[in-house]
Amino acid sequence: TQLLEQSPQFLSIQEGENLTVYCNSSSVFSSLQWYRQEPGEGPVLLVTVVTGGEVKKLKRLTFQFGDARKDSSLHITAAQPGDTGLYLCAGDTSGSRLTFGEGTQLTVNP
Amino acid sequence: NAGVTQTPKFRILKIGQSMTLQCTQDMNHNYMYWYRQDPGMGLKLIYYSVGAGITDKGEVPNGYNVSRSTTEDFPLRLELAAPSQTSVYFCASSSRDRWKQGYTFGSGTRLTVV
Repeated sequence: TQLLEQSPQFLSIQEGENLTVYCNSSSVFSSLQWYRQEPGEGPVLLVTVVTGGEVKKLKRLTFQFGDARKDSSLHITAAQPGDTGLYLCAGDTSGSRLTFGEGTQLTVNP
Repeated sequence: NAGVTQTPKFRILKIGQSMTLQCTQDMNHNYMYWYRQDPGMGLKLIYYSVGAGITDKGEVPNGYNVSRSTTEDFPLRLELAAPSQTSVYFCASSSRDRWKQGYTFGSGTRLTVV
């Protein structure tokens, strides 16, 4: 069973601060996805990264896939209260299903 | 598009009771999944299906059963509810391009077993 470790598990910051969330594994993934989940809802896909070293930007969010395709990071610039939520990474090993990390609970205080 | 629809949204069961969590999707996705999410935890895969008539166990299948008679529907059955099954259950679906388009999740069923 592949294991995805996310850090930190909890993060509470002030509006306007920057932050980085990490997702690490000993397994190689064919692709890696990031989801955000808000209370009472299911996770929603933010981005998929496929190529080692790939960087994708989504407004204030920057996603990076490690060169060896074993790890990824999510960087948020100038965080806003609307960024509050549970951030989940999920890896695909070309099987039929994704393996999810435990998540990072982000709280951005106004 | 409705996407993935789960019913009911909330349910309280007594120990030993049975119930079926319903999941339907209107995106013609081949792949469907059932996850459970415990407080402060990520998602654990219960069962999944790669197409009608095909199901397979995930990480935590004990105490659950599934069927996939149509592409659209993927119900999850709890036969003898136990307190350990108190959780939020999410159904998800994906196309063969899941690496590109990801999973589409329902809004969940919050189940409490007392």
